[in-house]
Amino acid sequence: SAVISQKPSRDICQRGTSLTIQCQVDSQVTMMFWYRQQPGQSLTLIATANQGSEATYESGFVIDKFPISRPNLTFSTLTVSNMSPEDSSIYLCSVGQGYTFGSGTRLTVV
Amino acid sequence: AQSVTQPDIHITVSEGASLELRCNYSYGATPYLFWYVQSPGQGLQLLLKYFSGDTLVQGIKGFEAEFKRSQSSFNLRKPSVHWSDAAEYFCAAGAVQGGSEKLVFGKGTKLTVNP
Repeated sequence: SAVISQKPSRDICQRGTSLTIQCQVDSQVTMMFWYRQQPGQSLTLIATANQGSEATYESGFVIDKFPISRPNLTFSTLTVSNMSPEDSSIYLCSVGQGYTFGSGTRLTVV
Repeated sequence: AQSVTQPDIHITVSEGASLELRCNYSYGATPYLFWYVQSPGQGLQLLLKYFSGDTLVQGIKGFEAEFKRSQSSFNLRKPSVHWSDAAEYFCAAGAVQGGSEKLVFGKGTKLTVNP
């Protein structure tokens, strides 16, 4: 299975600022997925990122709030923009085929 | 709509006892099925997965799961629980739809292990 490295592992941010989360995979993958896990909750898919095309967002998530880049087959970034305390969550990236997850980014917005 | 249900929010077992965590799914066709474990402050670790074939699936850490189409279930079992198994367990389902292999997760079952 693919090995996924995610950075940062955790961060505390001021409201109104933005944070970019990086996801690096040790092999080339077609699809990468970004999930959000709110405190005490299950995982919800934010968007699917294909290399060379616009990300596909799930209902309730918009590109202005969660812009995603996918510059090549091993890397993706998720930005959480104009943060509020409600954005405090764990953000995880995942890849298809192997269905493995990165270790997550624990974000606290104060 | 596609959904995954884990009926038990919290289960407590004694160390050495057997364990069964329940999972039911609602999908248009037989989906891919997964069990993940999440320890506090950690990411998700894949325990096992079912795509097709043998309905009894062996995973890591001594876990197994059985797919029952007639019951739309994919229950996770372990014959003897260890204290280190205390964690949150998530059942998930996925299907290749339009080229997207996204997963739908259940709400999770928190496992407490008593000494």
